[in-house]
Amino acid sequence: SQTIHQWPATLVQPVGSPLSLECTVEGTSNPNLYWYRQAAGRGLQLLFYSVGIGQISSEVPQNLSASRPQDRQFILSSKKLLLSDSGFYLCAWTLILRGRVTEAFFGQGTRLTVV
Amino acid sequence: ELKVEQNPLFLSMQEGKNYTIYCNYSTTSDRLYWYRQDPGKSLESLFVLLSNGAVKQEGRLMASLDTKARLSTLHITAAVHDLSATYFCAVVGPSSGTYKYIFGTGTRLKVLA
Repeated sequence: SQTIHQWPATLVQPVGSPLSLECTVEGTSNPNLYWYRQAAGRGLQLLFYSVGIGQISSEVPQNLSASRPQDRQFILSSKKLLLSDSGFYLCAWTLILRGRVTEAFFGQGTRLTVV
Repeated sequence: ELKVEQNPLFLSMQEGKNYTIYCNYSTTSDRLYWYRQDPGKSLESLFVLLSNGAVKQEGRLMASLDTKARLSTLHITAAVHDLSATYFCAVVGPSSGTYKYIFGTGTRLKVLA
């Protein structure tokens, strides 16, 4: 069965420090991968999505970046964190079946607090 | 730009009552997804609605899809406290061949004993 791992679960980082969040999927090939951010009490904001290795689509211009070095690995990074980067970061994956996108499956999330 | 809107944003209801959450989306899509999120947790898939007129039911929740109206509803029957959570709908778009997965604003449901 497919599983998705996301780590760390919680992170407290000072302003101006770098960030690296990692997400890996097991049990499937060629997934579409997504990074979302959720501010406290708010909805999900799509940050990046990827349909293949090295293919990244950015939805919101900001100081974050994403990379997909391997088929089932998706990394969210920042060179210098801002206070406004605090939030709950969620990684998700979908597949394409018969030309259509499946439901999304989510990792457990990373709660980032920038201090 | 694909937009997905839900209403209400907040819903406080008594146990045993019925209510409906609405999800409107701005582009053509032939499927829609509903998710549940408990406080501090990740999202859990509830329903996948695959075509116009689709109806799915699980326990006290029933979801339906009207692709012509670009509207989905999540109906709660005889609410119980365990249903307290935030509910999101999601649509893929805005056009075929794209895999952007856009979520609605969410509806935070609180069921009062």
